[in-house]
This record gives sequence, C-alpha cells and structure tokens, in this order.
Amino acid sequence: EVQVVESGGGLVQPGGSLRLSCAASGFTFSSYSMNWVRQAPGKGLEWLSYINPGSSTIYYADSVKGRFTVSRDNAKNSLYLQMNSLRAEDMAVYYCALSVVPTAIRCGMDVWGQGTTVTVSS
Amino acid sequence: DAVMTQSPLSLPVTLGQPASISCSSSQSLVHSDGNTYLNWFQQRPGQSPRRLIYKVSNRDSGVPERFSGSGSGTDFTLKISRVEAEDVGVYYCMQGTHWPRVTFGQGTKLEIK
Repeated sequence: EVQVVESGGGLVQPGGSLRLSCAASGFTFSSYSMNWVRQAPGKGLEWLSYINPGSSTIYYADSVKGRFTVSRDNAKNSLYLQMNSLRAEDMAVYYCALSVVPTAIRCGMDVWGQGTTVTVSS
Repeated sequence: DAVMTQSPLSLPVTLGQPASISCSSSQSLVHSDGNTYLNWFQQRPGQSPRRLIYKVSNRDSGVPERFSGSGSGTDFTLKISRVEAEDVGVYYCMQGTHWPRVTFGQGTKLEIK
C-alpha cells in the first residue's frame, strides 16, 4: 500500500525552527516528486513546496520562500521540511503529498499523509 | 497567480438530491499541451484531502459515479447526482495548469439539510 506518514510537528515559539519529516512506503520513493501542503486552522489548502526525485528541481510558495527548505533522502525513503523563522501564520497542519496516478503534478496529488500539526505560540 | 473562486461556500443539501459546486479561475486553465489541469478534492471531517477528479472530468479510482466534473477555460463544475451522508465535507478545486504556482479554491462546505 502506498503510504506517507508525517512527523515532527509540535509547539514552537515565534521565530523558532522545526523540522518535519515524511516517511514513505509501498512505492519506489526515489522515482516520485513530492510536495508539502498546509492547512491553517479552519482554512483551506495551500501548496508550499515541490521537490523532484533527484532534488535538482525545487519550488516554494512565496509565503515560505527563504524561510523553509525542502529536502529528501532517497536512501531513507524520507522527505523533509526545515522551517525557520516561524510566524503565527505558519500554524497549520502540514501534509506531505504526491501524484502517483497519474504522475503529472499538474493533475494534483492523489496520495496524502495524515498530516502533522505545527503550533506557533509564545 | 490564478485565483480560484468557488461558489457557494456553504451548500446544504437534502439526502438523495443533486448538488453542484462552481469553480472559476481568474486565468484560462488551458495549458499549452492542450490539457486543462483543473482538479477536485474532497476533505471529510477530520480527514486528509482526497482527490476525486483530475483534468476536469477524470474520476479517480474508487470514486463513486455520482461524482462528475465538467467545464472549460475558466469555469468548472463538480456535480453530485444524488448526495449521500458520506459526501459531507469540504470540496476544493485546484488548478495545476500554472504549476508551480498551484492554487486552490477557498472550499465549499457541503452539509446535509
């Protein structure tokens, strides 16, 4: 079964840092592009970041560019999101997601994790 | 960025009755490759999003036939032919045409009347 499981969320003070992880299983992780998407409390979905299989192509939403860094370790079947300079508006559930069928990212993500919650508060 | 506007934002529906959600884009969603990358997602209460439809009208595996998508250019519609209790949740449209500037609609909350 294709599965992704996020972890690493928690409570952090404004200005602090947090590193999220996404563990993949049931598919050849090194062959698929990955994404991070977040959802603020009671709000809609916001795409944050994309990384291709070889980490040679990376994109960020303007809202996190310069503060967040996406990376992956194909040997460990894992995706990461390093979040620095966190703000109150970064408080959200963070999902790792990918497109399997079809693989085209333009078709949206058909595999999502359960999400990990980030709380930014003093 | 392409701004995606959904209507209505709240949709009370009687069980067994049809439902329709509109999604309008500020820019054409026709890609240079000829495809239109307008996708629909369902998020049931307490659950992660689930893709229902991709490229306007292609239903994902396991999605009931009562869900259908249509539209072109800048205006799109998700229809549920007969609403069931399990359809309660929030529905989002998402454009991938202007990737990596992916954008979602603000969501439509479907509830049972």
